[in-house]
Amino acid sequence: GAVVSQHPSRVICKSGTSVKIECRSLDFQATTMFWYRQFPKQSLMLMATSNEGSKATYEQGVEKDKFLINHASLTLSTLTVTSAHPEDSSFYICSARDPIRVGYEQYFGPGTRLTVT
Amino acid sequence: DQQVKQNSPSLSVQEGRISILNCDYTNSMFDYFLWYKKYPAEGPTFLISISSIKDKNEDGRFTVFLNKSAKHLSLHIVPSQPGDSAVYFCAASARAGGTSYGKLTFGQGTILTVHP
Repeated sequence: GAVVSQHPSRVICKSGTSVKIECRSLDFQATTMFWYRQFPKQSLMLMATSNEGSKATYEQGVEKDKFLINHASLTLSTLTVTSAHPEDSSFYICSARDPIRVGYEQYFGPGTRLTVT
Repeated sequence: DQQVKQNSPSLSVQEGRISILNCDYTNSMFDYFLWYKKYPAEGPTFLISISSIKDKNEDGRFTVFLNKSAKHLSLHIVPSQPGDSAVYFCAASARAGGTSYGKLTFGQGTILTVHP
């Protein structure tokens, strides 16, 4: 149980274009999903908390107009990187909490490697 | 401000021996702690967690110890196996409500290498 998928696993795009990454909870309904990015040899940095049916909560320093998050259903959250630049190249990972479970575990997707050329 | 710290970037252990990964935290509001295992280019996999009302939690080869007074937790893996080689992250969460509810703060990770 608690499986989270992400699509695509890899994407290469040109500067100035937008890229959408999907995160799905496959066997549970996730009222809350999280988006992280990870730079090489560094920790996971939380970008935003995505709540179903409401606006995402962004962490300090994360541009909400650049990283658009939509959580339109209990099983799907999307992250759109708008007007991508090479410095946006990173490993983006989503996670979801299963509200039925007692603990605060988050279950992670496999990640998306974004390369902006 | 690094609220969760893993001060050892790497750890090398012989197969069959015990691996001990350490983690320190500074935020006294944290009351739930987790360990994740991560392979390159993959998402983290949940291993084990512990609530602040406990000082030990065990699951098979994995045991997590929590010392609240020292704001320190550790993950013990025994016996260690080559397949355990990965990056291990500790994470912490505060149960209190508000915008921080359910957020995880991660440490920098420790690369564990288990030699056959």
